[in-house]
Amino acid sequence: GESVGLHLPTLSVQEGDNSIINCAYSNSASDYFIWYKQESGKGPQFIIDIRSNMDKRQGQRVTVLLNKTVKHLSLQIAATQPGDSAVYFCAEKKRGTSYGKLTFGQGTILTVHP
Amino acid sequence: DGGITQSPKYLFRKEGQNVTLSCEQNLNHDAMYWYRQDPGQGLRLIYYSQIVNDFQKGDIAEGYSVSREKKESFPLTVTSAQKNPTAFYLCASSTGTSYEQYFGPGTRLTVT
Repeated sequence: GESVGLHLPTLSVQEGDNSIINCAYSNSASDYFIWYKQESGKGPQFIIDIRSNMDKRQGQRVTVLLNKTVKHLSLQIAATQPGDSAVYFCAEKKRGTSYGKLTFGQGTILTVHP
Repeated sequence: DGGITQSPKYLFRKEGQNVTLSCEQNLNHDAMYWYRQDPGQGLRLIYYSQIVNDFQKGDIAEGYSVSREKKESFPLTVTSAQKNPTAFYLCASSTGTSYEQYFGPGTRLTVT
């Protein structure tokens, strides 16, 4: 069925490296995507979002890329720090669904080694 | 400080008992949501409410009930009909003009 998923469940990087977390989605009707960071035992925190009419959006040390041709979303974290260690979720909103109804992927565990 | 509060952080119940999880927000958000998270999995939507006195079932509503009598409060009751209630429960809210959802710290429910 239609779903949002991740290519890799875990990612380990060295401090200072750049990290890329990937997300594949199968619903071509999705018009909004969002990335969340969740630290152990806490609620998810907003990182960055992007609408389907955009290909790229940048924030502080983070960039989200959207490739609608292959239905792929990625989160790039520059100069990764130990504090970036967490689970990262992508989520999508399907065009026409109830306002705010998001579908979440399974998450990628990012581990940053000092 | 504005935000979402969930209480308690940890909750233990015996099988067969109903239990109510609290969610309060002072962000003046119209919409509120309840998600369930199981180990190693993403968030699954239980119920959501876009306005007071109205709510809709999410993807896994069976065994749960909610109410939305006030804008700032959206309590979730886990009933004895929920076959596998042990999980991490997250409440979220959003405005009526943005899709971004703000999450509370979560309640970890253990039913034995």
